[in-house]
Amino acid sequence: ETGVTQSPTHLIKTRGQQVTLRCSSQSGHNTVSWYQQALGQGPQFIFQYYREEENGRGNFPPRFSGLQFPNYSSELNVNALELDDSALYLCASSPGGAAQDTQYFGPGTRLTVL
Amino acid sequence: AQSVTQLGSHVSVSEGALVLLRCNYSSSVPPYLFWYVQYPNQGLQLLLKYTSAATLVKGINGFEAEFKKSETSFHLTKPSAHMSDAAEYFCAVRLTGNQFYFGTGTSLTVIP
Repeated sequence: ETGVTQSPTHLIKTRGQQVTLRCSSQSGHNTVSWYQQALGQGPQFIFQYYREEENGRGNFPPRFSGLQFPNYSSELNVNALELDDSALYLCASSPGGAAQDTQYFGPGTRLTVL
Repeated sequence: AQSVTQLGSHVSVSEGALVLLRCNYSSSVPPYLFWYVQYPNQGLQLLLKYTSAATLVKGINGFEAEFKKSETSFHLTKPSAHMSDAAEYFCAVRLTGNQFYFGTGTSLTVIP
């Protein structure tokens, strides 16, 4: 069984650019959540997708957007990058449908904005 | 308002000593509580979760946590620390709307 994978591993962008991060969910999981983890902090919830629909959003501006595809893989898009967007971006998948569902995390994408 | 609070951003223990990492939750949140571990440059790995089935929850790698409603706590313990336990530990709660809220983390150092 393949776990959650994310690409790329590392990424360097400049302020004002746009970036797309990708996530493949664990087999059988229809829910994907994205988190931003700044250095020395806990992960902060960006949003969740369930069966291709946004299913909850944290306190992030609209320039953070996402997609989920029919195979339940997902993308996180960030427009107009700012220096504070530098962080580890984590994707997590879960089976969905129950409040106690465990989330399984990918290794993350390290984004550096210069 | 924060939903979970981790007391102590850094904890050091000697190898073989008891590990105690503290987590308190806001009483207003539903009691779906989790502990995750993060090794350097890696994602988060689930250690254990509380879903109201039993107040004492056993997880992987010898860790366990006890849900105490009267104290609004969900502290993580391990009887004997191992060098491989050195990592960052996060307490988390699942809120309505499917959000997970994570604490700020506790860095565990194990001294040989």
